[in-house]
Amino acid sequence: DSGVTQTPKHLITATGQRVTLRCSPRSGDLSVYWYQQSLDQGLQFLIQYYNGEERAKGNILERFSAQQFPDLHSELNLSSLELGDSALYFCASTRDGRGTEAFFGQGTRLTVV
Amino acid sequence: DQQVKQNSPSLSVQEGRISILNCDYTNSMFDYFLWYKKYPAEGPTFLISISSIKDKNEDGRFTVFLNKSAKHLSLHIVPSQPGDSAVYFCAASLPQHFGNEKLTFGTGTRLTIIP
Repeated sequence: DSGVTQTPKHLITATGQRVTLRCSPRSGDLSVYWYQQSLDQGLQFLIQYYNGEERAKGNILERFSAQQFPDLHSELNLSSLELGDSALYFCASTRDGRGTEAFFGQGTRLTVV
Repeated sequence: DQQVKQNSPSLSVQEGRISILNCDYTNSMFDYFLWYKKYPAEGPTFLISISSIKDKNEDGRFTVFLNKSAKHLSLHIVPSQPGDSAVYFCAASLPQHFGNEKLTFGTGTRLTIIP
């Protein structure tokens, strides 16, 4: 158990819809990262938050947004969903904002039909 | 632009033998490299790392080698055990002063240990 909790584990939704993925980091970790893993691909960095503020942005679509709340949990919002958004979405956390040795959650498998 | 590459999608090794997983990178500014292991239906778990100031780091059965001139790193697992069967991801990060703290991942190598 990495200590990072992601909910839900599975999500099936229709094209055009909006979903919210939730992540609770390890206790004491200030930084949260979101990654997307599509079929047979590596993990693609989406966005990082550190202590409530956006720290770095990767290849995140404009239809996607995220935030980190005062209790340090984070949400990734995906809207106007397309079939190609089907993927595993992972959240990871670190204590100091450095991406090294990040601890990952189990992921949310999103299927867009 | 795939800055971290794992060119072997899969590898099968006999139990007890050595498993060697390879990773190449293109960005010479990367200064820290990591290996993650992933079982199905689980998130990646950190395995071992190496700083660019070193060329070898060992932790039990796992050793990571870094060849900076070749921009190549490898993970050696000796002896290989059935529980090592998983997907292995190589990852790299930039120095802290770049202000970009993400990990850049390879596409993974599926290791299967044959009993």
